[in-house]
Amino acid sequence: DAGVIQSPRHEVTEMGQEVTLRCKPISGHNSLFWYRQTMMRGLELLIYFNNNVPIDDSGMPEDRFSAKMPNASFSTLKIQPSEPRDSAVYFCASSLAGLAGGGMQYFGPGTRLTVL
Amino acid sequence: AQSVTQLGSHVSVSEGALVLLRCNYSSSVPPYLFWYVQYPNQGLQLLLKYTSAATLVKGINGFEAEFKKSETSFHLTKPSAHMSDAAEYFCAVSGTGTASKLTFGTGTRLQVTL
Repeated sequence: DAGVIQSPRHEVTEMGQEVTLRCKPISGHNSLFWYRQTMMRGLELLIYFNNNVPIDDSGMPEDRFSAKMPNASFSTLKIQPSEPRDSAVYFCASSLAGLAGGGMQYFGPGTRLTVL
Repeated sequence: AQSVTQLGSHVSVSEGALVLLRCNYSSSVPPYLFWYVQYPNQGLQLLLKYTSAATLVKGINGFEAEFKKSETSFHLTKPSAHMSDAAEYFCAVSGTGTASKLTFGTGTRLQVTL
């Protein structure tokens, strides 16, 4: 299996621009998670989906952030407009929900976002 | 609600010495517990997990962890550190009755010196 795929791996943009991060979960997994990691705040859960439905978006920092999961094999995290404080590494993870999955999450390699 | 506390944001050991990374959990339901490792510029990788079978769990790269309910602990150990073990380690917890949302600790950076 190819694992969780994220694109792009690196993104450099200017303040005010729209940024779209993409994630392809592991085939057969029905839960998907978006995390943000910074030195100051550590690893933060932004939002997660079960069966393509957003379950908990309480970690989304503000309205500039939005996430979608139009189907079981694709999700996006969008920031519009972007700000320098959004600079971070964004991780996508997927899992098989419930006891069958044993709670394990599989992480992608991350997207390093730099907003100038 | 579940939470984990990792004691020590930085731990330094000599190559060949014992590695001990501490994690205490809080959970209102029987927990699933995990240790993940993150190497520089990479995503998190599962080291091992506890899901209420054996209390001593063996993981990859010679790591193991012991679930102690009386101490609400799930410390990670390795008998002999190797330079390649230098990384950040995260403890995480989820409830068995919930979806697979994990609550992560703040991480412990392990440094291995010659």
